Amino acid sequence: DTAVSQTPKYLVTQMGNDKSIKCEQNLGHDTMYWYKQDSKKFLKIMFSYNNKELIINETVPNRFSPKSPDKAHLNLHINSLELGDSAVYFCASSSREGREKLFFGSGTQLSVL
Amino acid sequence: AQSVSQHNHHVILSEAASLELGCNYSYGGTVNLFWYVQYPGQHLQLLLKYFSGDPLVKGIKGFEAEFIKSKFSFNLRKPSVQWSDTAEYFCAVNNYGQNFVFGPGTRLSVLP
Repeated sequence: DTAVSQTPKYLVTQMGNDKSIKCEQNLGHDTMYWYKQDSKKFLKIMFSYNNKELIINETVPNRFSPKSPDKAHLNLHINSLELGDSAVYFCASSSREGREKLFFGSGTQLSVL
Repeated sequence: AQSVSQHNHHVILSEAASLELGCNYSYGGTVNLFWYVQYPGQHLQLLLKYFSGDPLVKGIKGFEAEFIKSKFSFNLRKPSVQWSDTAEYFCAVNNYGQNFVFGPGTRLSVLP
């Protein structure tokens, strides 16, 4: 069984569109994250949710809006996509407010044309 | 704020060579330390972690890392690399209750 699953795996879209990436974890973790990995493989935290509440919101454009309907899900909605949004987006989860290791999803490769 | 640096951007080795990847962090308090590996086209997976105790930790696939508190370092080692170790390696730091901070990654290419 996949611990952290995110869909879709690939997303190709035009500039200006709105898209969503879904993430679900079946590990019973309290904390979920979204990371962005750019073309140089640099990993940057975007958001962190603990028990459905936003904990970390790094400098991310308002076009990015996370939504956590319950603690097992953390979706990422992106409005008005721009070329610079092209990257791989990883969902992750951990227990005990990040004191344990991170479990990563398989990533969503977003290409904005 | 915490930061993590990794000494090498790209390391190229022949099979059976020994590996050491450097990692330094900036936070002076108690931290948890991790090494993650990302094989081509895949997600990040945990190689090993240090929370407390013996500063020499052993992970999967023959990797080990040594925590040297005085140097704020957590270097990754493997005595003999294989072609299948070709991947991106990330050092990460987590301060209790805070966010994970990742280093910029080191790409390892192992030549057969």
